[in-house]
Amino acid sequence: ELKVEQNPLFLSMQEGKNYTIYCNYSTTSDRLYWYRQDPGKSLESLFVLLSNGAVKQEGRLMASLDTKARLSTLHITAAVHDLSATYFCAVDPLRESSGTYKYIFGTGTRLKVLA
Amino acid sequence: NAGVMQNPRHLVRRRGQEARLRCSPMKGHSHVYWYRQLPEEGLKFMVYLQKENIIDESGMPKERFSAEFPKEGPSILRIQQVVRGDSAAYFCASRGTSRGYTFGSGTRLTVV
Repeated sequence: ELKVEQNPLFLSMQEGKNYTIYCNYSTTSDRLYWYRQDPGKSLESLFVLLSNGAVKQEGRLMASLDTKARLSTLHITAAVHDLSATYFCAVDPLRESSGTYKYIFGTGTRLKVLA
Repeated sequence: NAGVMQNPRHLVRRRGQEARLRCSPMKGHSHVYWYRQLPEEGLKFMVYLQKENIIDESGMPKERFSAEFPKEGPSILRIQQVVRGDSAAYFCASRGTSRGYTFGSGTRLTVV
């Protein structure tokens, strides 16, 4: 069974601190997505990581991908309250999906940044 | 471009009723995906459709759930005889020729 696991599931951190969210997946994939979801809202696309070693940064968030280790990280630098949300990674398991491009989502990391 | 439009945003049904969820993909997108998000969980794939065809329904429950994407009009996810366990957020996503999705705002179904 294809699995995408995130840790931690819950994260409470002080403003100004740094932290990393991890996303491990059990299948080969050449593409990984990070999304943000606010309570009761839809998913907002943050990053698309397309190749091994890819690194993308937007503001206080930086995402990276290691396809050999089947690991992606989302690093938060100097957290602010506005980053409080749930963060999901999603894998597009090209080979197993037979070209249907259906995503497998991680369990989500609920981040709370305390003022 | 209005994006992916889902309606209704919120839907309340009594046990045993039918729920119909609609999704209009982005203009030019012919691929539609439905995902379900149970409370406090991630999104789970349900079904993938192209115009007039169901391509992959491996995530759909075997009974009471059906989906269609007609030649004209929105994609419809239909749940018959709803039960409390069907309460969830249902998200639709569409894509064109690339692999990237655009998600709709979701329909939050509450079964009472």
